[in-house]
Amino acid sequence: IAGITQAPTSQILAAGRRMTLRCTQDMRHNAMYWYRQDLGLGLRLIHYSNTAGTTGKGEVPDGYSVSRANTDDFPLTLASAVPSQTSVYFCASSETSGSADTQYFGPGTRLTVL
Amino acid sequence: GQNIDQPTEMTATEGAIVQINCTYQTSGFNGLFWYQQHAGEAPTFLSYNVLDGLEEKGRFSSFLSRSKGYSYLLLKELQMKDSASYLCAVRDSNYQLIWGAGTKLIIKP
Repeated sequence: IAGITQAPTSQILAAGRRMTLRCTQDMRHNAMYWYRQDLGLGLRLIHYSNTAGTTGKGEVPDGYSVSRANTDDFPLTLASAVPSQTSVYFCASSETSGSADTQYFGPGTRLTVL
Repeated sequence: GQNIDQPTEMTATEGAIVQINCTYQTSGFNGLFWYQQHAGEAPTFLSYNVLDGLEEKGRFSSFLSRSKGYSYLLLKELQMKDSASYLCAVRDSNYQLIWGAGTKLIIKP
């Protein structure tokens, strides 16, 4: 593994189903992030984690949950998917959450909720 | 509220120069980033500015004026592979990145 991986690449999901998007990084970065990207809108932060064992809410956290049991993994769970959660989801990481730290992005998961 | 404004779309000719502007209004300022995103791919880092002035990196340069809440990304000697979206993002007082919607740059031969 080099960088950040996400799984699945794409998924079609029935409304009401539970879904976990996986994210793994091998750069030993402390901070990790989940964004959603919708047409015509900027990336919006869903949840973040500044270090293993801690998480925080971003701009659009409702309907999503995260956990950070270790440094490498940061899964995002949709407890009961709704059509408005159709989006492209990007996981990102940075060495720390400091001002100059660059965020590196995974390849994304394209999720469609019907 | 926090706001990042960029033009939605720009067109330029191969070999030319293009300037993509970004204006921002955020709660605090801890740096400004430019990212490139090709269609269907992840954003990739281009530049970072925290002090006023111009940062040059090969064919790409980025400028910042904190007093005006303004930045631009300058791309020189445009190549077809530069066709992509360019995202401006500002790190606010909570150290979170606030993102613009991106500028889609179309390069014509």
